[in-house]
Amino acid sequence: DQQVKQNSPSLSVQEGRISILNCDYTNSMFDYFLWYKKYPAEGPTFLISISSIKDKNEDGRFTVFLNKSAKHLSLHIVPSQPGDSAVYFCAARGSGGSNYKLTFGKGTLLTVNP
Amino acid sequence: KAGVTQTPRYLIKTRGQQVTLSCSPISGHRSVSWYQQTPGQGLQFLFEYFSETQRNKGNFPGRFSGRQFSNSRSEMNVSTLELGDSALYLCASSRPGQGFTGELFFGEGSRLTVL
Repeated sequence: DQQVKQNSPSLSVQEGRISILNCDYTNSMFDYFLWYKKYPAEGPTFLISISSIKDKNEDGRFTVFLNKSAKHLSLHIVPSQPGDSAVYFCAARGSGGSNYKLTFGKGTLLTVNP
Repeated sequence: KAGVTQTPRYLIKTRGQQVTLSCSPISGHRSVSWYQQTPGQGLQFLFEYFSETQRNKGNFPGRFSGRQFSNSRSEMNVSTLELGDSALYLCASSRPGQGFTGELFFGEGSRLTVL
């Protein structure tokens, strides 16, 4: 049972345009949501996070939106740059006894074309 | 400041063998987590250690085990390897203090191939 889902395996965007990556979750006990970026042959790197008590968090070109009622979050990248081309993983932190583990989605490969 | 270091980076084993992977966290980080990444499956949580104690464990069979040493370095072991164990094994550490909000610092991973 996949608790964090990224339904789009890939996304292609033109440089300068907005990239929108989506993520859905099923577990209402998740209390932190994060996005990680991964380049080939490297480990994932933390990008941005949002607490379940907020609905938006912004950091430069990256904004994460959380819709708790829909159990949906999205990552917006504006403007997109070729260096943003990578696999993006959505992740959620459990609460209580599971609050030291992250549950990841399967990832979305973003390609930003020059 | 050195990042998370994993060794070996690549290894090839045959079915039935066992393997031990090593992870050195960022200096001062006391929590170490392990994740398995396979094609099409994303990252799956294996276990997490803090101060030599396992705090969380994922849904993997008992063939997967780990430990943490007093210097926070960690090892994971997979016994009786199966073809399906071929994967990238990622180690991550997290900053101490103020609770864990999910920000992990990952190593580059150990790529295991089982033949």
